[in-house]
Order: sequence, then structure tokens, then C-alpha cells
Amino acid sequence: SAVISQKPSRDICQRGTSLTIQCQVDSQVTMMFWYRQQPGQSLTLIATANQGSEATYESGFVIDKFPISRPNLTFSTLTVSNMSPEDSSIYLCSEKKTGISEQFFGPGTRLTVL
Amino acid sequence: AQTVTQSQPEMSVQEAETVTLSCTYDTSESDYYLFWYKQPPSRQMILVIRQEAYKQQNATENRFSVNFQKAAKSFSLKISDSQLGDAAMYFCAYRSGGGTSYGKLTFGQGTILTVHP
Repeated sequence: SAVISQKPSRDICQRGTSLTIQCQVDSQVTMMFWYRQQPGQSLTLIATANQGSEATYESGFVIDKFPISRPNLTFSTLTVSNMSPEDSSIYLCSEKKTGISEQFFGPGTRLTVL
Repeated sequence: AQTVTQSQPEMSVQEAETVTLSCTYDTSESDYYLFWYKQPPSRQMILVIRQEAYKQQNATENRFSVNFQKAAKSFSLKISDSQLGDAAMYFCAYRSGGGTSYGKLTFGQGTILTVHP
């Protein structure tokens, strides 16, 4: 399985501030994704991080709120901007390699907004 | 759009017994993949097992096996010889085999599994 790391593992932030979450994969991957898991809920896809171009966002998620970068094939960042308590969630990155059926997740970042 | 439904919010099992978690899905696609993920309190999403839609044979991984009923759009997970470490939230997930949704996972609501010693 892939080795995926995320930083930070958790954070407590004040409303109105922004937090950038980093995701590092141990080898080059074709696709990287960002998911949100609100308390007690399932996972929802935020966006697909595209290498060298703008991310593709799912319905209900916008670039101004969740800017994403992917400068190369092993690294991506998700920023949660102008945070409110409703943004308190676990944020997980995921990767998929071409030709490989399995899809793996990072350990997640637990964000609490006060 | 594809949907995934897990109708059992919670399940419990005695250690060493067998338990089955249910999952149904809705899709018009013929090429897709189905997964079961486990999320313990550590929140790490762990891939338990996968099934390719084109394969008739049910997938098996040690104590974990699935019952894939393509016509009924059902994908249940059977855990045999349950262990305390199996206690977690289990998510069923769907992924398209191609097209614009390729790579994107759609998750069910999850089932909390408790294992009693």
C-alpha cells in the first residue's frame, strides 16, 4: 500500500483564520483527492487535485473557500479559508495510481474551529 | 449520480462469531469497483477489501469476504472469527471504472461495529 502522510495531524483554530493542510505521498501518483468528514458523518469529496492546473471541485465546494495546490505528483495542499465552527471536521487526502484498483488514504487532519 | 446505502447504523458481534454488514448501491454503469473501508477511532481509513464489478467471484481477504450480487446491487461484508480489533466504523464505497467520475469514491453512511469479548 502507499505511504501517505498529512500535516498537521490536528489543530485548533480561531474563526476567521485559515489553515493549510499538507499531503505527501511516497511515490508518484496519478490522482490525488481531498475529502471532508464532518463529525459523526461519512466522507464527502471536496475536490480532485490536478497536477499543474486548477483543482476540480465538487458541488457545494468552491476554490475561494478551499484553495488546493498540487505542484508535483507526490504533494498537495488544501487550505481551509476564513474558517467557521462549521468547518470543524476531519480532512483526508487520498491517492490512486494508474492501473491499480486500490485507493488509499492519509491519516487525516482533525480540525477544530472555535 | 451513484448512491451507496448502508442501512445498519450499528451492529454488534461476540468475539469469534461471524457478522455481516449490508450495503446496497444504485448505478447505471456497468464498469465500477466496490470497496469496504474500516475506520477505527484513530480515524485512519483502512482498505479492507475490494471487488471489481466484472468479476463474478466474490473477493476474499483472510477473515473478510464479500457477497457481491450485481443484479441486486448488493455488496455485503462478512467478517468471520471476529476479533476485538475489528471494532470500528465500516464504510462501503463505490467508484466508477471510467468517465468523468473516475477515481472519485462515493461512500455510504457507515456502520459502527462493536465486538464484545
